[in-house]
Order: sequence, then structure tokens, then C-alpha cells
Amino acid sequence: QKEVEQDPGPLSVPEGAIVSLNCTYSNSAFQYFMWYRQYSRKGPELLMYTYSSGNKEDGRFTAQVDKSSKYISLFIRDSQPSDSATYLCAMGDDKIIFGKGTRLHILP
Amino acid sequence: EAQVTQNPRYLITVTGKKLTVTCSQNMNHEYMSWYRQDPGLGLRQIYYSMNVEVTDKGDVPEGYKVSRKEKRNFPLILESPSPNQTSLYFCATRTGPEAFFGQGTRLTVV
Repeated sequence: QKEVEQDPGPLSVPEGAIVSLNCTYSNSAFQYFMWYRQYSRKGPELLMYTYSSGNKEDGRFTAQVDKSSKYISLFIRDSQPSDSATYLCAMGDDKIIFGKGTRLHILP
Repeated sequence: EAQVTQNPRYLITVTGKKLTVTCSQNMNHEYMSWYRQDPGLGLRQIYYSMNVEVTDKGDVPEGYKVSRKEKRNFPLILESPSPNQTSLYFCATRTGPEAFFGQGTRLTVV
């Protein structure tokens, strides 16, 4: 079983919809959990990170971690065309492990 | 402005011709690393450095070298590039869980 699994998509949703992006992981020792956004021809940039189970909100973005199920999610409310990008989950402690990324298209 | 700067952004080279991709950061971070990103394989770590003169192998170090002679710079060296090293390369710094990536270097080896 791979350490971090993420559906590559692509995922296409209409503007204004709620987007749900997910990752599963196998290593229960991971201590922090992150979401990165990568626009085409750019480097990944950190969106959010959290250390604990539960929800963390930042504007239209909510990160959710369920350590008991080894499952993390990113929700995007009121999605905009500018949210179209690849979203990478990441987790770790001394070492960060990245998911392969989900390509998201928000259709105007 | 906090930055990780890579050069060049694009490079086409021939098999066997040594090349260096430079990386410089202005955030005074101790940790720096190199990744390659390939379709279907995601980001894979090549090498990392916890501090000056300290480097270690990542997940895919074969065919690459690095050096860390000063804190701000972490060049990636391909002594004898091969076509399977055609990829998108990212330099990154890190503090705690936060990683900061450069803009990327798209390398093609023919």
C-alpha cells in the first residue's frame, strides 16, 4: 500500500459548486497534514496545514483530518475559475510525503 | 519578498553534457531540497540538506549530485544527463511543515 493516495482526476465542476478533494494515507505516525495548490507552470504553494484531527477553515477553504480513518479532505466553497489548479495533499513529520495531485477544473 | 529562485527556467541539453541548476533562497531557512515532478509519479525528492555541508539522499538520488557550501544556495548537478532525467525540477526550502518552492526548471535531455 502506498503511503499517500490521491485520485489524479481531472475533476470538473461548475462555478459556485462545493469541491471535495481527498487523500488517504497508511502511516499513522504522520503528525501534520497539508494542502498545496499548483498552477500550471508554477511551483506548489502552501494553502493550509493542520496538526490535529478535525476541521480548519480559511476563507472558502476547509481542511479536514480524520486520523482514525487516515483520511484528509479539502473543501472549497463557492468555487471560482481561479481555483482551477492541481491540488496536492502532503503529510509527514521529519519528511514530507506528497500525494500525486488532483487536477481541478472550475467551469465558468 | 521571500523567494526561492531557480535558474534556468527551461533547459534543453544533450546526453552526457554536464549541467548545473542553481537554487537560491532569501529566507535564511536551514532545510533545502530538490524534487522532480513527472506525470503520474508526482513529486519525488532527489536530495535534501538540513544545513551547510550536510546533504542526504532522497527517494531518487541516482544520477544527481548536490552541494551546500553556503546557507542560501543549493545547486543540483547532473554530471552525465540521460533522457530519463527529462523532467520538471523544483527546489524548495522548508520551515516546520511549510515548504516554499521555486518556479521550477523544465529540463529536456535529448
